[in-house]
Amino acid sequence: AIQLTQSPSSLSASVGDRVTITCRASQGISSALAWYQQKPGKAPKLLIYDASNLESGVPSRFSGSGSGTDFTLTISSLQPEDFATYYCQQFNNFPLTFGGGTKVEIK
Amino acid sequence: QVQLVESGGGLVKPGGSLRLSCAASGFTFSDYDMSWIRQAPGKGLEWVSYISGSDSSINYADSVKGRFTISRDNAKNSLYLQMNSLRAEDTAVYYCAGSTVDSAFDIWGQGTMVTVSS
Repeated sequence: AIQLTQSPSSLSASVGDRVTITCRASQGISSALAWYQQKPGKAPKLLIYDASNLESGVPSRFSGSGSGTDFTLTISSLQPEDFATYYCQQFNNFPLTFGGGTKVEIK
Repeated sequence: QVQLVESGGGLVKPGGSLRLSCAASGFTFSDYDMSWIRQAPGKGLEWVSYISGSDSSINYADSVKGRFTISRDNAKNSLYLQMNSLRAEDTAVYYCAGSTVDSAFDIWGQGTMVTVSS
């Protein structure tokens, strides 16, 4: 199975900060990677698909990049509603796998 | 509006069975591949099972293979997960989620809680 390693596992940041989360795959997955945001008690929400495509309705401060084994989710200017846990997920091979998550907290 | 609604969760004893359902509305259900994804309390997301839109392809996580069975009824716009031989480690919120072919999960249900405990 393809393992996805997210870093950091948590971070503290202030409103307006630029935040970067990385996701490393144990083997190449081309661009078959998605990013999700999850708030407590809620279902995950798709932010980015195919590594760099912004899902409709998602603010443009979110962006994704990378291909192969190394991927990045960037929030250009953190907003109060962005404090949440973020997960990467690969859909290149079964079993589908998720990263361990990155919790973004208020500094 | 586009919606997935899960039902069927609850408390079950180890070794017991449960059948989850997921009702779809607001989109062409047969155009979507569907998966079940679970989240144990305080933990991350774990993919459980997948079924293609045409029902021609099915996959399972090793942790549930041989115990869980995924199915769908496109005429009823419904997805199912039959869970047998349940274990304490199956305790989780179970989400159904949909994706267009070979893509990310862009539609999610609100989740249903399954608790396996004596």
